[in-house]
Amino acid sequence: DAKTTQPPSMDCAEGRAANLPCNHSTISGNEYVYWYRQIHSQGPQYIIHGLKNNETNEMASLIITEDRKSSTLILPHATLRDTAVYYCIVRGLPQGGSEKLVFGKGTKLTVNP
Amino acid sequence: NAGVTQTPKFRVLKTGQSMTLLCAQDMNHEYMYWYRQDPGMGLRLIHYSVGEGTTAKGEVPDGYNVSRLKKQNFLLGLESAAPSQTSVYFCASSPRPGQGFITDTQYFGPGTRLTVL
Repeated sequence: DAKTTQPPSMDCAEGRAANLPCNHSTISGNEYVYWYRQIHSQGPQYIIHGLKNNETNEMASLIITEDRKSSTLILPHATLRDTAVYYCIVRGLPQGGSEKLVFGKGTKLTVNP
Repeated sequence: NAGVTQTPKFRVLKTGQSMTLLCAQDMNHEYMYWYRQDPGMGLRLIHYSVGEGTTAKGEVPDGYNVSRLKKQNFLLGLESAAPSQTSVYFCASSPRPGQGFITDTQYFGPGTRLTVL
């Protein structure tokens, strides 16, 4: 699976958009970009994933650059409850069995009132 | 629809004791996983299962055993607990790619906090 690079921490004001970047310059053509988050003391939560097109769901938007070497997760109106560690994960389809998700260090997002 | 649930939420064991952690999912997912998370580290896969009656080792399987007798349940056993197994344990499940899903997005339970003294 391709390696990802994320800033260790970010701050955002409540009500503003939070834009979390992720670099994945070695991504291959069949690898997806996933975003998960982990709120303190809870299990990781799936947010969104994409291959090459931008994606949007009720939680967030995912913008993937045309060369697919980086992406940005956008929380359009951050709330205090969005304070969490956000993980960008790149992986292809599982081969045979479903292998582990590799969670790096992620970005600690703090939403301030 | 409860998603993924884990029992118990907390447990304290003495070295050498045994216990079983239960994971249950009501999403009819084929795949299930057990991870552990230690302070300052990411999640590490212990064991996983791609279907009822099948299990496979992850990256840190030593000291643990698992069973998947029913599709909705995945049990993690510690036969002789050690202090090194003090951790937070997360269970996850995902659909099998091809069952109308392109990818295998994993859904996690709330975790079990285990302390071994």
